[in-house]
Amino acid sequence: GAGVSQSPSNKVTEKGKDVELRCDPISGHTALYWYRQRLGQGLEFLIYFQGNSAPDKSGLPSDRFSAERTGESVSTLTIQRTQQEDSAVYLCASSFVVTEAFFGQGTRLTVV
Amino acid sequence: TQLLEQSPQFLSIQEGENLTVYCNSSSVFSSLQWYRQEPGEGPVLLVTVVTGGEVKKLKRLTFQFGDARKDSSLHITAAQPGDTGLYLCAGEGWDSGAGSYQLTFGKGTKLSVIP
Repeated sequence: GAGVSQSPSNKVTEKGKDVELRCDPISGHTALYWYRQRLGQGLEFLIYFQGNSAPDKSGLPSDRFSAERTGESVSTLTIQRTQQEDSAVYLCASSFVVTEAFFGQGTRLTVV
Repeated sequence: TQLLEQSPQFLSIQEGENLTVYCNSSSVFSSLQWYRQEPGEGPVLLVTVVTGGEVKKLKRLTFQFGDARKDSSLHITAAQPGDTGLYLCAGEGWDSGAGSYQLTFGKGTKLSVIP
């Protein structure tokens, strides 16, 4: 596709379950970002991948959060033992190095 | 990790009023981008400013990059309800902590323009 694709678009899960969110970046984009956005709030940085460099994980809020990226393609964000405070929209963005960032439409996660 | 502080966090104004939102950092950036996010959508790039002191205009929106390339402002003249959204700034720079070039986003200014 032409843009950043995220799946699923919506996810409802029970507290304590693990969830996996997927991001398909724009082909050729070396940089990939994950952000969390709580309802009505701004962006909260989670993790950044740039090519084959070690990812910047400084924004991950706890060890329940992890992310992987295969080369310069798909990334998955995994949240283990979900809590209600994890409910938010998770946004993925990709860019070619540090040029314009293109965002997906996000995954809305609801933990019940 | 580099930080960008945006202010105000929330802003509610009447249609026709002018407003300015600010983006500040202690770090120097190679360039600074402004994005706008509408409800249910991802943020979309509005403009990139590159040179210290640079001013760019996009219809009723005026963007300025500080002389020292550490701060930026967005001024909206005669705001319209269609300007409602979340405005985000993002700085491009070398993050020594991460050891890589990064785009660092501010948390955003949520603007509501009341008809």
